[in-house]
Amino acid sequence: KAGVTQTPRYLIKTRGQQVTLSCSPISGHRSVSWYQQTPGQGLQFLFEYFSETQRNKGNFPGRFSGRQFSNSRSEMNVSTLELGDSALYLCASSLGQGTYQPQHFGDGTRLSIL
Amino acid sequence: GESVGLHLPTLSVQEGDNSIINCAYSNSASDYFIWYKQESGKGPQFIIDIRSNMDKRQGQRVTVLLNKTVKHLSLQIAATQPGDSAVYFCAENRANRDDKIIFGKGTRLHILP
Repeated sequence: KAGVTQTPRYLIKTRGQQVTLSCSPISGHRSVSWYQQTPGQGLQFLFEYFSETQRNKGNFPGRFSGRQFSNSRSEMNVSTLELGDSALYLCASSLGQGTYQPQHFGDGTRLSIL
Repeated sequence: GESVGLHLPTLSVQEGDNSIINCAYSNSASDYFIWYKQESGKGPQFIIDIRSNMDKRQGQRVTVLLNKTVKHLSLQIAATQPGDSAVYFCAENRANRDDKIIFGKGTRLHILP
């Protein structure tokens, strides 16, 4: 069974640009969550999608957005990039809410802002 | 408030010894806890989980202990190997609610030869 796949693995952008990251969950998983990981702040929750609906949102500005498609694949978008957005962005999938099932992570997209 | 923390940011253990990584959580309503291992350049990897109706759960070389009275979680790794070098995160969740999973800041485990 294939794991969570994130593309691209590495990305370099400049300030002011926007970026779209992609996540394909484990087959059968309907919940997809996104996290930002930095050395100083650790793993910070961005948002969670379940059946194409955003169900939870973390404390990030509106420049960070996401969506989920009918096949459970998800994308997140960051607009007007800032230097502080440099981080590892992780996607995790699980069967769904209301279940005692762990999230399974992809290997992330390393985003560097110049 | 919401927080899941670890008592030590780094832990050094002799190869072959047992490792114990600790975690404190603050939300008494949390009923599901997970341990993850993150190696350099990779995403967190699920190790073991435990529900709040259990005190102990064992896996292959790993044991998780849950003390709800003092809101404490620990991960024990038996016979630590070089491949165990990684950052370990604990996470808490209220599985039957629409609550997000909260991660601790992680403990880096160093294996000494």
